[in-house]
Amino acid sequence: GAGVSQSPRYKVAKRGQDVALRCDPISGHVSLFWYQQALGQGPEFLTYFQNEAQLDKSGLPSDRFFAERPEGSVSTLKIQRTQQEDSAVYLCASSLEAGIETQYFGPGTRLLVL
Amino acid sequence: KQEVTQIPAALSVPEGENLVLNCSFTDSAIYNLQWFRQDPGKGLTSLLLIQSSQREQTSGRLNASLDKSSGRSTLYIAASQPGDSATYLCAVGGSARQLTFGSGTQLTVLP
Repeated sequence: GAGVSQSPRYKVAKRGQDVALRCDPISGHVSLFWYQQALGQGPEFLTYFQNEAQLDKSGLPSDRFFAERPEGSVSTLKIQRTQQEDSAVYLCASSLEAGIETQYFGPGTRLLVL
Repeated sequence: KQEVTQIPAALSVPEGENLVLNCSFTDSAIYNLQWFRQDPGKGLTSLLLIQSSQREQTSGRLNASLDKSSGRSTLYIAASQPGDSATYLCAVGGSARQLTFGSGTQLTVLP
C-alpha cells in the first residue's frame, strides 16, 4: 500500500512569506507527527495528533508555526512570516495506534528561506 | 529531558566487515527504541523497533540490542555491503509518544 506522502517536496520562500506543507499519512493511521530536521542533525519533534486532536505542540518553535488535521487524516503545517532559521527538512510520520508502535516517515519537504 | 547520543558520527569500513553503531540515552524510562536508515535527500526507513521489555531484535544482517538500565543500544551490521552506506539514526520513544533522535552515524562502506 501507499506510504506517507508529503508535498511539496521542495519549497523556496522569500523571508516573510507564509508557507503550507501537506502530509498524507498511511490510510487508517491514528497518530501523526511532524518533525523538523536541520542539516546534519537528527529530526526534532514539533507536534503530535491523535485523529483530529492536537495532543502535543510543545516542539513548535514559535507562534509562527501552526498545524492542523481537521478530519483526522491529512495534516497541514503552516509557517507564517518565514525566517531564514526556518530552513530545514520537515518530516511527517504516522503510526497505527497511539504512537508506541513503529512510526513510518514520509520523504519530507525541504524548505529554503532566502 | 531525554538526550540521545550516537557514536561515532561517521564511520568508513571496507566491504564485508562486521560493524557496530552505538546509541546512548539519558533517561531509562522509555517505551521503545527504534533504528532508522536515512539516504541522502530521502526520508527515514525504519529498520528495527525494540520494545522496552525486549533485549534485542534481528532482521536479516541487522541485530539491535537494548540495555535500558545502562541507557545503551547497539546496531550490529554483519557482512557490510556498499548498499548499506547511509546515515543511521537511533530514536527513543517515551511516554509523550514522540521520538527523540540522536544526530546519526554516517556510514560509508567501500567496495
